[in-house]
Amino acid sequence: GENVEQHPSTLSVQEGDSAVIKCTYSDSASNYFPWYKQELGKGPQLIIDIRSNVGEKKDQRIAVTLNKTAKHFSLHITETQPEDSAVYFCAASGNQFYFGTGTSLTVIP
Amino acid sequence: GAVVSQHPSRVICKSGTSVKIECRSLDFQATTMFWYRQFPKQSLMLMATSNEGSKATYEQGVEKDKFLINHASLTLSTLTVTSAHPEDSSFYICSGDRRQETQYFGPGTRLLVL
Repeated sequence: GENVEQHPSTLSVQEGDSAVIKCTYSDSASNYFPWYKQELGKGPQLIIDIRSNVGEKKDQRIAVTLNKTAKHFSLHITETQPEDSAVYFCAASGNQFYFGTGTSLTVIP
Repeated sequence: GAVVSQHPSRVICKSGTSVKIECRSLDFQATTMFWYRQFPKQSLMLMATSNEGSKATYEQGVEKDKFLINHASLTLSTLTVTSAHPEDSSFYICSGDRRQETQYFGPGTRLLVL
C-alpha cells in the first residue's frame, strides 16, 4: 500500500518568514496531492492541491511543488502570519487516499 | 466551495448508550463518504468508507457492529457508536468526495463517553 511520510512534525517560524513542509509517497499510482489545514477542534480544510501532470501551483502566499520522479511534494507558505498557525496534512490519492502524519506549524508574532 | 456539515458538534453520553452522528454534504453530491477518528495530536485514522446505497467497507481493526454506518443518500451518511464506552471518546470527522478525487471534511464531532 501507499506510505506517505511528512516532515517536519513540528515547525516554528517568525512572522513574515517562510515555512516549508515536505512529503514523500511510495505508490507511483498516486496522481493527486491535496494539502489540508486543520485548526484546533475543527475539521481539515483543503487549502491547495496539485495533480501529477503539474509541477507547481501557487495561490497567493501558498504554493505546492511536485517532483513525480522523486515522489515528493512540498507546501510553501510565504510571509507567514499568526493565523497560519495550525496542523497541516499532506495526502496522496490514487487508488486510495492516504494522509501524512501532520505538521504542527507555529508562527511567532 | 464544497461544504460538509456534521451534527452534533459535541456530545456527552453515558457508558452503554448509543450515539448517532450525521454527516451531510450541503452543496454537492458525495458518492462516497469517509469516517475518520482522530486522537489528540495525531493524524486522521480512516475507520470506514461508505458508498451510497451500499454497505460500508471497514478498515482492519474497526468493529462494524460497534460503528454502524448508513449512507442512505448522496448527501447524508450517519455513524452510530453503539454501546459506547469511555475508550470510544474521540474526535470523529467525516468527509465526502467530489469528483471521486478530492475529500471535503466536516467540522468534526467531539464525543465524550462518561
